[in-house]
Amino acid sequence: EAGVVQSPRYKIIEKKQPVAFWCNPISGHNTLYWYRQNLGQGPELLIRYENEEAVDDSQLPKDRFSAERLKGVDSTLKIQPAELGDSAVYLCASSPGVVGNTIYFGEGSWLTVV
Amino acid sequence: EDQVTQSPEALRLQEGESSSLNCSYTVSGLRGLFWYRQDPGKGPEFLFTLYSAGEEKEKERLKATLTKKESFLHITAPKPEDSATYLCAVYRGDDYKLSFGAGTTVTVRA
Repeated sequence: EAGVVQSPRYKIIEKKQPVAFWCNPISGHNTLYWYRQNLGQGPELLIRYENEEAVDDSQLPKDRFSAERLKGVDSTLKIQPAELGDSAVYLCASSPGVVGNTIYFGEGSWLTVV
Repeated sequence: EDQVTQSPEALRLQEGESSSLNCSYTVSGLRGLFWYRQDPGKGPEFLFTLYSAGEEKEKERLKATLTKKESFLHITAPKPEDSATYLCAVYRGDDYKLSFGAGTTVTVRA
């Protein structure tokens, strides 16, 4: 069974430029998450989707970050414009549902803003 | 506010030297405690879920236990391939949020 797939794996951009990350969750998983992980820290939730609905985006910096999950499968996370402090690993994860289900992570998209 | 604290931050072991990692937590409405392993440049890899105090789970050289305030990950006779960062996370049922600790980085020397 294929795991959570993310692209690109690595991205280096100049500040003020836009960047987008793509995620394909495990087949059949209705719940999709985007997490951000700073160096030496645990992941922090940015947004959670149930099918195509964003049910928790309270931690998403909405002035520059946006996300979408069209058709309830793939998802895209966008940053525009990027700032130096956005350098981090952006992790996508999925689970079959919400209650008591294991959350599986992708390999992450490593962003460096210079 | 939920808090998840992992200790120690780093652990250096000799091959075969058993040890334990600690995850202490304060959360209301705990629905589960997760352990993940993360290798450099990779995403977190699921290891265990514990749901109630007294529960134990094992996988190869790893054993996870849970009390009402903390969880332990015991590494028995570790090998160099057990070197990784181990992340603990608590799952709260009322808002379905998974909150992570900062992790313990384990280095096992041959």
